[in-house]
Amino acid sequence: DTEVTQTPKHLVMGMTNKKSLKCEQHMGHRAMYWYKQKAKKPPELMFVYSYEKLSINESVPSRFSPECPNSSLLNLHLHALQPEDSALYLCASSPSTGITEAFFGQGTRLTVV
Amino acid sequence: EDQVTQSPEALRLQEGESSSLNCSYTVSGLRGLFWYRQDPGKGPEFLFTLYSAGEEKEKERLKATLTKKESFLHITAPKPEDSATYLCAVQARAGGSYIPTFGRGTSLIVHP
Repeated sequence: DTEVTQTPKHLVMGMTNKKSLKCEQHMGHRAMYWYKQKAKKPPELMFVYSYEKLSINESVPSRFSPECPNSSLLNLHLHALQPEDSALYLCASSPSTGITEAFFGQGTRLTVV
Repeated sequence: EDQVTQSPEALRLQEGESSSLNCSYTVSGLRGLFWYRQDPGKGPEFLFTLYSAGEEKEKERLKATLTKKESFLHITAPKPEDSATYLCAVQARAGGSYIPTFGRGTSLIVHP
């Protein structure tokens, strides 16, 4: 199984809402990533978890809050987002942060209204 | 500052017309160069990893090569289903971690 599953596929939320994005992998990977991708731009790294500990936070605003409950799951909690946060949010995993042959999920298309 | 530059930005080919995409990089301590394919609205799909100059990898109509400054993705006799954005990423050491840096991608359209 080389699949990274993200839910939901689409999400529309208001600026005062709280929502969460979920990501799951069963490949035994110990590194998991959140990326943000705007149209016609490359994926932009947000967070890296290594062995369930946050190892990299690329200066992401606090309205994005990651969580890694266990080695298979990764969440991204969203609160008080802005319209400019609308994007495709991608989760990825790799065997470790030393090996980033990453497998990506299909993404969550987020629209903030 | 580590940089990854892909060219061309966009490429239109006729079916069967072979071509190459370029990824040039300036990183210190390269640990790997990756090629991905991304279809619109989908997550990137991993294609190849290259670790050292001279290395080559092949998969169907795609062949990736690596030199000390750049990588090429050669597409032989492409088909319309090869239409996608091709992303290159390099993994370089940043302190005790390895951070992948993506190029902006090449948008490939193959006409039947």
